[in-house]
Amino acid sequence: AQSVTQLGSHVSVSEGALVLLRCNYSSSVPPYLFWYVQYPNQGLQLLLKYTTGATLVKGINGFEAEFKKSETSFHLTKPSAHMSDAAEYFCAVIGNNNDMRFGAGTRLTVKP
Amino acid sequence: DTAVSQTPKYLVTQMGNDKSIKCEQNLGHDTMYWYKQDSKKFLKIMFSYNNKELIINETVPNRFSPKSPDKAHLNLHINSLELGDSAVYFCASSQDRSRGGYGYTFGSGTRLTVV
Repeated sequence: AQSVTQLGSHVSVSEGALVLLRCNYSSSVPPYLFWYVQYPNQGLQLLLKYTTGATLVKGINGFEAEFKKSETSFHLTKPSAHMSDAAEYFCAVIGNNNDMRFGAGTRLTVKP
Repeated sequence: DTAVSQTPKYLVTQMGNDKSIKCEQNLGHDTMYWYKQDSKKFLKIMFSYNNKELIINETVPNRFSPKSPDKAHLNLHINSLELGDSAVYFCASSQDRSRGGYGYTFGSGTRLTVV
């Protein structure tokens, strides 16, 4: 069954520093992978997705992720963190029943 | 225009009551979902409907019953509410069932508190 694992429930960076949020997947078929962001008391917003094609995917707000089959990873990065990036981030994969299955989430804190 | 709208946004109720959460999408999507987010932020799918047909029914107490009057609406009715039902419930929709390649669009959530 398809699943994702997010490494690190909490990541803290300084403003202007690199953001790296880790996600590894498990899938018996080529995976469809997603990153979502959740700001406090809000719903989930799609940051980016990988289905097929180019393995480096660019998303909104300056985020990008690279699909690495050899490492079964789909890590999310942003070159320079902004205070407004503080939120909960979720990695997700489409499961066998075409349902979206989420990782446990990573809370990003940005220090001034 | 809101793409996926849920009502109410907040719901506080006593144990044993019956309540409903409504969801509507104006995206023309064929598939709708209910997710539960617990206090640790973990998201778990509860139900999935495709064009009014139940597709996914995870291990959820039968006190929870989804109802889809048409493909733009998926409501969630909960009977005999328990303290453990307190959570944020999210409605979502997707364009089709072809492995969800377009991603899901989520509503803003309903925070249910059972006292």
